[in-house]
Amino acid sequence: QSVLTQPPSVSGAPGQRVTISCTGSSSNIGAGYDVHWYQQLPGTAPKLLIYGNSNRPSGVPDRFSGSKSGTSASLAISGLQAEDEADYYCQSYDSSLSGSWVFGGGTKLTVL
Amino acid sequence: QVQLVESGGGLVKPGGSLRLSCAASGFTFSDYYMSWIRQAPGKGLEWVSYISSSSSYTNYADSVKGRFTISRDNAKNSLYLQMNSLRAEDTAVYYCARNRIAARPLNWFDPWGQGTLVTVSS
Repeated sequence: QSVLTQPPSVSGAPGQRVTISCTGSSSNIGAGYDVHWYQQLPGTAPKLLIYGNSNRPSGVPDRFSGSKSGTSASLAISGLQAEDEADYYCQSYDSSLSGSWVFGGGTKLTVL
Repeated sequence: QVQLVESGGGLVKPGGSLRLSCAASGFTFSDYYMSWIRQAPGKGLEWVSYISSSSSYTNYADSVKGRFTISRDNAKNSLYLQMNSLRAEDTAVYYCARNRIAARPLNWFDPWGQGTLVTVSS
């Protein structure tokens, strides 16, 4: 059971917009800690997608955007493309677990 | 370019030991905190341990505390994870990753290595 809760799967057709939620609690996201997002393509290592809630590293298309409100965060992907099919993970910090970084359980994005 | 390459994974019996290595290149290794993060087969990600740039500070997830030891050799641009008393639930791909903001709560991990598989089974 992950500390941060994500939907196991989402799907969308090419060109559509999808969102992936990441729900936490008052000891992590709700405490004001930043949320970061990673993309894991099949058979590869996770890659940073969004940091500091809504910032994109250089090279990440502006089709990817992040937001945070209260005890939740969201990753939005617009103009869906086939190469976006991957697992997506959110990450934050939890002050109740001996102070450690925590991840969501991951969301599998299927491009129909 | 910035690169992390893990090695040392393999099959080990329960109760056994294994030492993972991570070779860093493309950046000033001694300037950065580093972490190990693992992913059990078909499961999500779990942060395992971090070490400060000068090895002064370390921290571990409760699930590995007392069994795993993180270390580094800045002269060799290398990070290590000594894993003892291994259990079946330690089976996972182990990634080394660079901490972007030291050990602060707002830290994120970038980049990650390609990972090395550790299988604990009799």
